[in-house]
Amino acid sequence: DIQMTQSPSSVSASVGDRVTITCRASQGITTWLAWYQQKPGKAPKLLIYAASSLQSGVPSRFGGSGSGTDFTLTISTLQPEDFATYFCQQTNSFPYTFGQGTRLEIK
Amino acid sequence: EVRLVESGGGLIQPGGSLRLSCAASGFTVSSNYVSWVRQAPGKGLESVSIIYSGGTTYYADSVKGRFTISRDISKSTVYLQMNSLRAEDTAVYYCARVGIAVANGVDVWGQGTTVTVSS
Repeated sequence: DIQMTQSPSSVSASVGDRVTITCRASQGITTWLAWYQQKPGKAPKLLIYAASSLQSGVPSRFGGSGSGTDFTLTISTLQPEDFATYFCQQTNSFPYTFGQGTRLEIK
Repeated sequence: EVRLVESGGGLIQPGGSLRLSCAASGFTVSSNYVSWVRQAPGKGLESVSIIYSGGTTYYADSVKGRFTISRDISKSTVYLQMNSLRAEDTAVYYCARVGIAVANGVDVWGQGTTVTVSS
């Protein structure tokens, strides 16, 4: 199975800040990578697919980049509703493994 | 509206069996990939099983030989039969549409059903 390693595991930031989360795959996955946002008690929500494509309805302050083994999710200007947990997922081969998550907290 | 609704979760003793159901609406299960993803309490996400549009199925190693995914196209429902349940299977189980148009990302999630394995 492909292992996904996210960092940091948690980050504190303020409204208006720029935040970057990284994800590394244990082997090359070209751009088969998705990012999700999850709030407590809710199902995850797809933000980014194919490493850099913005899912319909997702604000443009969310952006993704990378290919091969190294990927990033950037939130350009944090809004109050962005405080949540973020997961990456490789979609190259089943099982479509997830990173362990990054909890984004209010500073 | 595209929607997934899970049912069938509950409290079950170790070694027991449970069948989860996922009713799909707004799309056809025979033309899409449908997966089960679980989340143990306070933990991350784990892809458990998938059924592709052609009917091919795959399982995570942690459930292989114990869980079976299937579908009834006439009922637009996907099932997860879970046998020989263990404490470590305790989780919220989400039904998920794996979107071909979004490079296999999950673009539709159910609300989740809770499975608790405990004596």
